[in-house]
Formats: sequence, structure tokens, C-alpha cells
Amino acid sequence: QKEVEQNSGPLSVPEGAIASLNCTYSDRGSQSFFWYRQYSGKSPELIMFIYSNGDKEDGRFTAQLNKASQYVSLLIRDSQPSDSATYLCAVTLYGQNFVFGPGTRLSVLP
Amino acid sequence: GAGVSQSPSNKVTEKGKDVELRCDPISGHTALYWYRQSLGQGLEFLIYFQGNSAPDKSGLPSDRFSAERTGGSVSTLTIQRTQQEDSAVYLCASSLAGVEETQYFGPGTRLLVL
Repeated sequence: QKEVEQNSGPLSVPEGAIASLNCTYSDRGSQSFFWYRQYSGKSPELIMFIYSNGDKEDGRFTAQLNKASQYVSLLIRDSQPSDSATYLCAVTLYGQNFVFGPGTRLSVLP
Repeated sequence: GAGVSQSPSNKVTEKGKDVELRCDPISGHTALYWYRQSLGQGLEFLIYFQGNSAPDKSGLPSDRFSAERTGGSVSTLTIQRTQQEDSAVYLCASSLAGVEETQYFGPGTRLLVL
């Protein structure tokens, strides 16, 4: 059974702080890892994908992958109130079934 | 169109009726995905089409659910004999070939089964 787990939150951080979102997965054969952002009542939008161990940076976002620990995280630097949303972690195995985590609600307080 | 479109945007139906949900992917995208999202829940994968390959139907919750993709473009998700637990937002996404490609989501169809 493939599982992706995330803390449901809400995770509250003050404006300007670093928000750290975590995701663990059960299938060691997982190949690709994605972070999506979903605003309330809207569809998910991709923030980043990563498939190699280490860090991948894109603007204020950094994805971190540790396959040995089966752990992927998303860091948001200089958090803004507009970052308040639910963040979904997704994992794929050989391009097949996407498995999404339940999402973490992030609230950035002005 | 520039993005993924879905129709209808909202659908209210009575228990036991059949419904059809439509997805128009972005032109040129060979991969198409259907997901379901219940209120306050994460995304549940339903089915995945990639080019002319046999679809991955492993996420379909029961044999009341089926989907097809005609001509490698438009897809229809059909739910037969709807049940109240089928009420959810049904999301379609498309991407270029390869799972590392960005999935672009449509606005979803909100289905309510009374």
C-alpha cells in the first residue's frame, strides 16, 4: 500500500519567517516527488518537483529530498500572507500512479 | 484555449442516476489524469492516460466508474448509478509526456449526489 503522509496543520508562521513543510512516503521505489499549492476552493498548482537527493531551489522555495529516510520537505523563505494555502505532497513510482498526501494547511500571519 | 477545461462546473444529480464529466486537456499534452477530492481531503488518483498506452485504472474506486479518452484528447469520466459518497470535486489534469512534467489542473467539476 503506497502512502504519503503529511501533518495536516494548520502550521502558523509569522510573516517573513521560514515555513517548513514535511512529507514522508512509504514506497522505497518512489521516483519523483512534487509539491503543489492549493488555495481554498481552487485547483492545485505545481510549485516544484524533485527526483534527486539533495536540495532544489526556486526563488523563495527549496525542496529537499532524502530517499534513504523517505522524506521530502518544502521550505518557504520570507513567508508572505499570500503563501497561506494547503500544500500537497505527491509521489510517483515509475511514472504510474500519483499518490497525494492529505496536505498541510499553512497560515502566514501578518 | 490556454488551459485545461472541464464541464460542467457544477452538477447536482439524484442517487442512482448516471453522470458524465468532461475534460479538455491542453493541446499537445499526451498525459491526462483524473482525480477526486472530497471536502477537506487530499487528492485521490482515479485514472491516468498516456498517449496510446492502456490507461492506468488502478485508482477507480468501483466498477461504477469508467473513463475514456477519444482521439488522444478529450476525456469523459462516467459514474453509473451514483451514490451519495460520490459527491466530491472531480479534477482533471494534463501534462506533456513524462511524469516529471508539470501537471496543469482544470477548475474541477463539483458533483453533488442527493
